Amino acid sequence: AQSVTQLGSHVSVSEGALVLLRCNYSSSVPPYLFWYVQYPNQGLQLLLKYTSAATLVKGINGFEAEFKKSETSFHLTKPSAHMSDAAEYFCAVSKNSGGYQKVTFGTGTKLQVIP
Amino acid sequence: EAQVTQNPRYLITVTGKKLTVTCSQNMNHEYMSWYRQDPGLGLRQIYYSMNVEVTDKGDVPEGYKVSRKEKRNFPLILESPSPNQTSLYFCASSSPAGSTYEQYFGPGTRLTVT
Repeated sequence: AQSVTQLGSHVSVSEGALVLLRCNYSSSVPPYLFWYVQYPNQGLQLLLKYTSAATLVKGINGFEAEFKKSETSFHLTKPSAHMSDAAEYFCAVSKNSGGYQKVTFGTGTKLQVIP
Repeated sequence: EAQVTQNPRYLITVTGKKLTVTCSQNMNHEYMSWYRQDPGLGLRQIYYSMNVEVTDKGDVPEGYKVSRKEKRNFPLILESPSPNQTSLYFCASSSPAGSTYEQYFGPGTRLTVT
């Protein structure tokens, strides 16, 4: 069974500081990996995705993530945090299961940006 | 505009009173899913559908029903709601075309069962 672990349910950074949100996955085969962002009172929207084309994936709003197979990690980073980045971030893994692409989400990390 | 819509956005009901949350997508997606979001637990899949008349249980299906009579619609039915079904519910759709399987989410329905 696949699973996703997000270290840290809450992360606080100062405005302008590096953002690092951690995600580790377990999967028996190379999966598809995603980061979704949820702003307050909204649904989830795709931030970026890894589909084996390139290990460093760039997403929207200056975020990027690096797929490291040896570490089974897909950490999300942004060089300089902005106040508008305050949201909850979910890592997800997707794998074919009986003809269906089963998606499993992590428990989420709430990012607080301090002025 | 490509979107997933859910109704209602907010619902307060009492234990045992049947309710339906509607979900509709305009992207001609084959796959649709329902999730519930609870603090500290992330999103957990309730049911999913691979196409019309094809549905299957997700990770937490107890107390819920779904149907998929049309490709665009995927209603979630709570026949006899209980307080432990108080949660934030999301509908999502995706397509196997293109093989990326990214999901498009609705805005959510906040359900309170008293």
